[in-house]
Amino acid sequence: DQQVKQNSPSLSVQEGRISILNCDYTNSMFDYFLWYKKYPAEGPTFLISISSIKDKNEDGRFTVFLNKSAKHLSLHIVPSQPGDSAVYFCAASEITSGTYKYIFGTGTRLKVLA
Amino acid sequence: DTAVSQTPKYLVTQMGNDKSIKCEQNLGHDTMYWYKQDSKKFLKIMFSYNNKELIINETVPNRFSPKSPDKAHLNLHINSLELGDSAVYFCASSLQGGGGTQYFGPGTRLLVL
Repeated sequence: DQQVKQNSPSLSVQEGRISILNCDYTNSMFDYFLWYKKYPAEGPTFLISISSIKDKNEDGRFTVFLNKSAKHLSLHIVPSQPGDSAVYFCAASEITSGTYKYIFGTGTRLKVLA
Repeated sequence: DTAVSQTPKYLVTQMGNDKSIKCEQNLGHDTMYWYKQDSKKFLKIMFSYNNKELIINETVPNRFSPKSPDKAHLNLHINSLELGDSAVYFCASSLQGGGGTQYFGPGTRLLVL
């Protein structure tokens, strides 16, 4: 049972346009949501996060929106750049036995076309 | 200066062998994790250690045994390797606390023949 889902395995966007990556979740007990970016042959690197008590968090070109009623979050990248081409993982955290447990989606491969 | 390092980066071995993967972090974090990314690219948590104590064990076969000699190290030992163990294994660390960002190692690509 996948609690965090990224239904689009891939996305292509023209340079300079907006990239929108989507993520759905099922567990209303998640308290933080995070986005990670992964290049080939490297580990995921943290991009941006949002607390479940907020609906928007912005960091430069990256904005994450959270819609708790729909159990949906999205990552907006604007403007998109070729260096943004990577796999993006959505993750959600919940407290288990006093520590944070992270559940990841399957990733969306973003390709930004020059 | 690498934050989370893993060795080896690549591991090719025969079925039935025993192998270990080492992980070290120099970030002063108190929590470390092992993840497995399978052929479907699904990144799934296996274990979590907090201050050398096992906190999360996600129904992983007992052929997998993590060992944390100190807060900065979390090693993964795998006995009697099977074909299905072929995957990329990522180590990660984080501070405790809300939304604690995880820092990942570069991954160990394990291929069991």
